[in-house]
Amino acid sequence: EAEVAQSPRYKITEKSQAVAFWCDPISGHATLYWYRQILGQGPELLVQFQDESVVDDSQLPKDRFSAERLKGVDSTLKIQPAELGDSAMYLCASSSPNPGTGETDTQYFGPGTRLTVL
Amino acid sequence: AQSVTQPDIHITVSEGASLELRCNYSYGATPYLFWYVQSPGQGLQLLLKYFSGDTLVQGIKGFEAEFKRSQSSFNLRKPSVHWSDAAEYFCAVGGYQAGTALIFGKGTTLSVSS
Repeated sequence: EAEVAQSPRYKITEKSQAVAFWCDPISGHATLYWYRQILGQGPELLVQFQDESVVDDSQLPKDRFSAERLKGVDSTLKIQPAELGDSAMYLCASSSPNPGTGETDTQYFGPGTRLTVL
Repeated sequence: AQSVTQPDIHITVSEGASLELRCNYSYGATPYLFWYVQSPGQGLQLLLKYFSGDTLVQGIKGFEAEFKRSQSSFNLRKPSVHWSDAAEYFCAVGGYQAGTALIFGKGTTLSVSS
């Protein structure tokens, strides 16, 4: 069964350092999402791509966060500089619309990257 | 405002007992509803989804959920809980159009006692 891959699984960094997370969606999935999940909360969308284009980055703190999906396949999320409040699980998900109808389909999630900022 | 409410933060159920996790949503269009499960340190696994049709949907691991439009609810149920069901459960709502981001509830942590 195809899966969403993420790396690293765990990252510990000091504040003010730069960190980067990588996501490889399920093959053929045009839509890619990055969610942030703070401990004890549900995931919240950071940024969404359709192919290589950003569809929604309204919740992305753009002064320190950046995301790219250059070839419309895998994606990188970067934080520079990291702050203590960035400690969270970063989840990547992908989906593909039902052909013909454009109806929404299931989002499949990767295992996440657990970030700890000291 | 679009939102999902899971009223129970933590539930403890005896092994073999039945389970119901509550979910209420507020959404301005036709809702597409999901239940995901998350084990500690892991990503989210889809349990079941409701798009249309029969309001009682079956999922994996013996779970089912019932969509009640009049109550804006999508409660998750299981007739007999196993110790391996201990995890965190998230209800989420999305829209018809492909590429709609999900709005999640804050989750319910399920503990199973022997």
